[in-house]
Amino acid sequence: EVLLVESGGGLVQPGGSLRLSCAASGFTFTNYEMNWVRQAPGKGLEWVSYIDNRGITIYYADSVKGRFTISRDNAKSSVSLQMNRLRSEDTAIYYCARGLVDSDAFDMWGQGTMVTVSS
Amino acid sequence: DIQMTQSPSSLSASVGDRVTITCRASQTITSYLNWYQQKPGKAPKLLIYIASSLQTGVPPRFSGSGSGTDFTLTISSLQPEDFATYYCQQSYSTPWTFGQGTKVEIK
Repeated sequence: EVLLVESGGGLVQPGGSLRLSCAASGFTFTNYEMNWVRQAPGKGLEWVSYIDNRGITIYYADSVKGRFTISRDNAKSSVSLQMNRLRSEDTAIYYCARGLVDSDAFDMWGQGTMVTVSS
Repeated sequence: DIQMTQSPSSLSASVGDRVTITCRASQTITSYLNWYQQKPGKAPKLLIYIASSLQTGVPPRFSGSGSGTDFTLTISSLQPEDFATYYCQQSYSTPWTFGQGTKVEIK
């Protein structure tokens, strides 16, 4: 069974940091690009970051560029999102999502981890 | 950035109805358009990719069409389990962007 399991969410003060992790299983991790997508409470979906299968090509949304860093460990089949200088507007459920190489569609999603930025 | 606009934002329909949701891109995205279904408290689920390709395991009552800037998602006969929010997403160029969502409710 293909599984993506996020962890690391929680409550953090504005300006603080948090590191999210996503553990993958049930598929050949090195064949797939990975993404983080977030959803603020009651709002729509917002793509956050992308990393290709080798960890070489990386993209970020402008809203997080310079504050968030995506990385992956292919030996451990995991992808991480280091979030620094957090703001209240970063409050959201963060989903790890697998990307299809030919279309960049997100074909598998984790259950999400909640990040709340508040004092 | 490419803006994605869905219409309507919400709709009410009955079981068995044919439902159509449209998605318009602010510039051409060729066929790089994907559709997702999201139920409350759950992660999104991919339904259609590259405008018209049905994701494995998705019932054939779902179909997608369009190219360039205008796309549609059609549910041929709405089932009780289809009441959800639907999002389009362009994967033509980064930043990948989503439509605002269409909530399909029970009439």
